[in-house]
Amino acid sequence: NAGVMQNPRHLVRRRGQEARLRCSPMKGHSHVYWYRQLPEEGLKFMVYLQKENIIDESGMPKERFSAEFPKEGPSILRIQQVVRGDSAAYFCASSPGQGARNQPQHFGDGTRLSIL
Amino acid sequence: EDKVVQSPLSLVVHEGDTVTLNCSYEVTNFRSLLWYKQEKKAPTFLFMLTSSGIEKKSGRLSSILDKKELFSILNITATQTGDSAVYLCAVSGAGGGSNYKLTFGKGTLLTVNP
Repeated sequence: NAGVMQNPRHLVRRRGQEARLRCSPMKGHSHVYWYRQLPEEGLKFMVYLQKENIIDESGMPKERFSAEFPKEGPSILRIQQVVRGDSAAYFCASSPGQGARNQPQHFGDGTRLSIL
Repeated sequence: EDKVVQSPLSLVVHEGDTVTLNCSYEVTNFRSLLWYKQEKKAPTFLFMLTSSGIEKKSGRLSSILDKKELFSILNITATQTGDSAVYLCAVSGAGGGSNYKLTFGKGTLLTVNP
């Protein structure tokens, strides 16, 4: 499967625990984007990363949330000390690098995070 | 702040009907407008529009952009039950690299009854 791969598909955590969401971009894509979808809401941009660089994290809460896209391995969205309000679907998207402008973002199936 | 408004929020039609979904937007330094179809899982890319007045077409789906009036429409002709989904409109604004920082509308929930 050459698409955007996210895991796990479903994640259940208790309040105060940590959640780690993983995203492997499409083959050949070096730009990764994370979005959050709350019930009855549209997808909201959180963070945009390239390999080893955070380009724009303006949509990500300043506390408890962090993201990385290391040189090797998937992109990770990390939520520390989760609260009930973090329950949402988290989608990752990827697109090609600088040499391919005006290419659409392609999305993974998302991770459904539930906080007990 | 960039903004995307879709209408209607939901729509119920019978198989064979034609539907038009609307998307209006406000964005700084417009780059492109995209339509996605979301069933239970990943939003699936349909169209990217960058120029006014040029219709994009794929089978029974077509879309057009009006950059002067800041809106786009998505048409689906001869609807089928498999077209039932949430249709998302998104715009991208300023920023480097390829499509950057999409702002999404809340979507239109289309239900096609047999």
